[in-house]
Amino acid sequence: AQSVTQPDIHITVSEGASLELRCNYSYGATPYLFWYVQSPGQGLQLLLKYFSGDTLVQGIKGFEAEFKRSQSSFNLRKPSVHWSDAAEYFCAVGTTSGTYKYIFGTGTRLKVLA
Amino acid sequence: EAQVTQNPRYLITVTGKKLTVTCSQNMNHEYMSWYRQDPGLGLRQIYYSMNVEVTDKGDVPEGYKVSRKEKRNFPLILESPSPNQTSLYFCASGWGTGANEQFFGPGTRLTVL
Repeated sequence: AQSVTQPDIHITVSEGASLELRCNYSYGATPYLFWYVQSPGQGLQLLLKYFSGDTLVQGIKGFEAEFKRSQSSFNLRKPSVHWSDAAEYFCAVGTTSGTYKYIFGTGTRLKVLA
Repeated sequence: EAQVTQNPRYLITVTGKKLTVTCSQNMNHEYMSWYRQDPGLGLRQIYYSMNVEVTDKGDVPEGYKVSRKEKRNFPLILESPSPNQTSLYFCASGWGTGANEQFFGPGTRLTVL
């Protein structure tokens, strides 16, 4: 069955520190992968996406993610976190073979210390 | 302004009283979808639609109905709401098959007493 796992429920980092949020997926075909961010009380906004090609993708707000097929991972990174990055982050898979579902992970809540 | 709108934004109702949450998008997207968000569970897809009159179940369709009579609208219907449907609901839309980026509405917070 298709699934997305975000193993870290909460992460706390200091402002200016680097960040890596983990995402592992299970899907038999070529995955379409996404990272979304949800600020408190808001809807979701796309940070970046991977469909094919270069496995390192750049997104908005200085975020990047690397697709590693051998590890079924799509981890999100940022070299220097800002206080405004405090939010909840969701990894998602778009399925393209037979069904066209969208499967989200359970999210990682990021706290940034000043 | 390109957007996905949902109404109402907040709703408190009682068990068994039929309700409809509307969703509308002005981006001419083919794909529309409904999700519910619950603490610790992330977002779970309820139903999706790839175009007018084409709908399919997501992972948690029980207790919900949808229809897609017009491209821009995708209402979510709860014919007999129950307390376990208390949740935050999001509508989203996107181009093509839906494996593309999705644009999310602001959410509807539903409480079923």
